[in-house]
Amino acid sequence: SYDLTQPPSVSVSPGQTARITCSADALAEHSAYWFQQKPGQAPILVIYKDFERPSGIPERFSGSSSGTTVTLTISGVQAEDEADYYCQSTDSSATVIFGGGTKLTV
Amino acid sequence: EVQLVQSGAEVKKPGESLKISCKASGYSFTTYWIAWVRQMPGKGLEWMGIIDPDDSYTRYSPSFQGQVTISADKSIGTAYLQWSSLEASDTAMYFCARLAELGTFDSWGQGALVTVSS
Repeated sequence: SYDLTQPPSVSVSPGQTARITCSADALAEHSAYWFQQKPGQAPILVIYKDFERPSGIPERFSGSSSGTTVTLTISGVQAEDEADYYCQSTDSSATVIFGGGTKLTV
Repeated sequence: EVQLVQSGAEVKKPGESLKISCKASGYSFTTYWIAWVRQMPGKGLEWMGIIDPDDSYTRYSPSFQGQVTISADKSIGTAYLQWSSLEASDTAMYFCARLAELGTFDSWGQGALVTVSS
């Protein structure tokens, strides 16, 4: 297994662009996924397979990959985007791994 | 509409047993694997394990192997997570989630808070 490393916190002003990173050598071989979790709620999938956006997720959410680092970008951040964000991937034995989470403050 | 509805909050004493449930609706239960995820107070998400409801094949995270049991009853479209002897450190929110074709969890239960305290 391995660890997915995320910054503990990111802070942006409304309308700015937020970028949250997730790093691990294994991300060069395995897809990454991003979840948004607001207090008291279940996580919601916002990005899958590095950069795909599920239906119903606003276009301001996007994902990218540069080998061992994946990035969740939120363009034109809104107050409602304030939440914890988790990246997720798998290892070679299909064990699911979550990053430690990043608290986005708007 | 896909829905996963979990059983309610539980308050238990150390050493007691517990089984919580996750009832699926809106799709064919046996088509998608169901996972369980732990979230301790103020902490992040931890994958516990996963089950194929069709044949009850189960895989556990090494961190949870032997600590919990995951099962499913396909006749009623329900997955379960159970403990034989709870500890205070099991106090957490537990989520069930459906593993979709897109490679991860596209639907989640609302969570079940388990509190273990003497």
